[in-house]
Amino acid sequence: AQRVTQPEKLLSVFKGAPVELKCNYSYSGSPELFWYVQYSRQRLQLLLRHISRESIKGFTADLNKGETSFHLKKPFAQEEDSAMYYCALRPGSARQLTFGSGTQLTVLP
Amino acid sequence: DAGVIQSPRHEVTEMGQEVTLRCKPISGHNSLFWYRQTMMRGLELLIYFNNNVPIDDSGMPEDRFSAKMPNASFSTLKIQPSEPRDSAVYFCASSLLGDSPLHFGNGTRLTVT
Repeated sequence: AQRVTQPEKLLSVFKGAPVELKCNYSYSGSPELFWYVQYSRQRLQLLLRHISRESIKGFTADLNKGETSFHLKKPFAQEEDSAMYYCALRPGSARQLTFGSGTQLTVLP
Repeated sequence: DAGVIQSPRHEVTEMGQEVTLRCKPISGHNSLFWYRQTMMRGLELLIYFNNNVPIDDSGMPEDRFSAKMPNASFSTLKIQPSEPRDSAVYFCASSLLGDSPLHFGNGTRLTVT
């Protein structure tokens, strides 16, 4: 069975500092990886997916199959980036997503 | 499109009562998912439907939980009887078949006292 691990429950950085939210997965096939973000009192929304290879709100994530990781990075954090971030995996042709436990990011002024 | 619509936004009930959570997926979406979010366990998939048919309910905690999707535009998640440990935020999400991402509702915050 697939598994997604986000080792940090809480992460605090100062505004302007680089930020990296870690995500590791275990799955024997070819997964699709996502990052979802949940701002305070709002719904979860898709931030980015690995197949798109795009940058959203300055965030990027590269799928590293050798290390089975999909870390989320941003070179200069902003206060409005403070939110809960979830890494998620969709295995093969399945429909459902398996989520990590989430990382609460706080960007300090 | 208004997105995925869930009701109620908040529900407070006493232990032993029946609770029904409702979800209206995005029009045209044919997959629907129910997730539960807690501080300790994060987001857990409870059940999902494809074309109104339950595909995987292995995440449903126990027989007290049941979910239905009588048509393409409506689903319910019922807990009977409710217990304090059921307190959580319950999210509904929908997507198109294929590789489209999930779109989440605002969630229902359930408190069982």
